[in-house]
Amino acid sequence: GESVGLHLPTLSVQEGDNSIINCAYSNSASDYFIWYKQESGKGPQFIIDIRSNMDKRQGQRVTVLLNKTVKHLSLQIAATQPGDSAVYFCAESFYGQNFVFGPGTRLSVLP
Amino acid sequence: EAQVTQNPRYLITVTGKKLTVTCSQNMNHEYMSWYRQDPGLGLRQIYYSMNVEVTDKGDVPEGYKVSRKEKRNFPLILESPSPNQTSLYFCASSTRQGIYTEAFFGQGTRLTVV
Repeated sequence: GESVGLHLPTLSVQEGDNSIINCAYSNSASDYFIWYKQESGKGPQFIIDIRSNMDKRQGQRVTVLLNKTVKHLSLQIAATQPGDSAVYFCAESFYGQNFVFGPGTRLSVLP
Repeated sequence: EAQVTQNPRYLITVTGKKLTVTCSQNMNHEYMSWYRQDPGLGLRQIYYSMNVEVTDKGDVPEGYKVSRKEKRNFPLILESPSPNQTSLYFCASSTRQGIYTEAFFGQGTRLTVV
């Protein structure tokens, strides 16, 4: 069935460095992808999304890259800050519905 | 403020005692869903609803029921809870098929079944 996975379950970075969180997806029909951030005790919060007709999208300090050839998604966070410490999930969907989530990557920002 | 509201936030119950977790959204969204979150397994979909009176099973529906009598509400029902249903539960809503936009999540309900 559909599945979404992450290469690295935990990631530690120095404050100020760039972070890269990776995700592999298995359903080649998926056409919409989202990165969510989940802080302790809270529900997932939207960070950035990308449609399958794009390969890159930028937000404020965040960039999502989509490689449909190898079914790979990544989230880049520039100048990582302590407030970026959280668990990050990628999610895939078809036609904008029924999101399938990966297990998550915990990002720890070191002072 | 656009939001998804779940209640209760925390619940401890005993095996076999029926319980309901409520979910309400104020965004007039058509699509609502329930997820459970367990360590190392991410978010797994329990049930979803594409509109009023339209519900369908997700990946892990066993032991759960839902109803969608009104657009804004999507309660999750555990008729006979068991300890393996101890988990963190999230309700989410989004607009409708073909509209590519985020799903909004509630704050979560931490359920413990003893």
